[in-house]
Amino acid sequence: EPEVTQTPSHQVTQMGQEVILRCVPISNHLYFYWYRQILGQKVEFLVSFYNNEISEKSEIFDDQFSVERPDGSNFTLKIRSTKLEDSAMYFCASSLGQGEQFFGPGTRLTVL
Amino acid sequence: QKEVEQNSGPLSVPEGAIASLNCTYSDRGSQSFFWYRQYSGKSPELIMFIYSNGDKEDGRFTAQLNKASQYVSLLIRDSQPSDSATYLCAVILTGTASKLTFGTGTRLQVTL
Repeated sequence: EPEVTQTPSHQVTQMGQEVILRCVPISNHLYFYWYRQILGQKVEFLVSFYNNEISEKSEIFDDQFSVERPDGSNFTLKIRSTKLEDSAMYFCASSLGQGEQFFGPGTRLTVL
Repeated sequence: QKEVEQNSGPLSVPEGAIASLNCTYSDRGSQSFFWYRQYSGKSPELIMFIYSNGDKEDGRFTAQLNKASQYVSLLIRDSQPSDSATYLCAVILTGTASKLTFGTGTRLQVTL
């Protein structure tokens, strides 16, 4: 069964450093998403991406964040200058249409 | 008022019983509703989606939607210890194309 994959599973970084989180969505899916979940809190939407451009973004997704689909398979989330409060689980998701979304296993980001 | 509300639980049910999980939402125009299961430390796993009023059954799971009351529920029949997890209700709100807005989740404990 096809699934969303994410790398790395755990990323530790120093405050102020740039990180890139990587995702491989399900191959025939057209919509791609990033969500995050701070420990003990609810899952929060960051951004959605369709047809090579951002279709929606939340207020969390400020100028420090960017997304890219550098090739036909990868989807990345870059955080330019990490803050302590960026520490969270980051989930990539994909969907065929604007409906059911399937989540990857997540990347745990720890900012020290 | 929170956009998507769930009782945080824990909801404790004996093995073999029916577990009933509830979710209310504030946006009357919402059309798409999803239930995800999240085991501790893992990513959300899609288990049901419902778009029309009424019941939708899939194996031991039944989703119920009442748009007039702005209420969606998930019933789990013949509950098993492996069903012990946090159940997340997610809604695509009016004015958003595919952004999932999550509730805080209800923790279900199935006891032997």
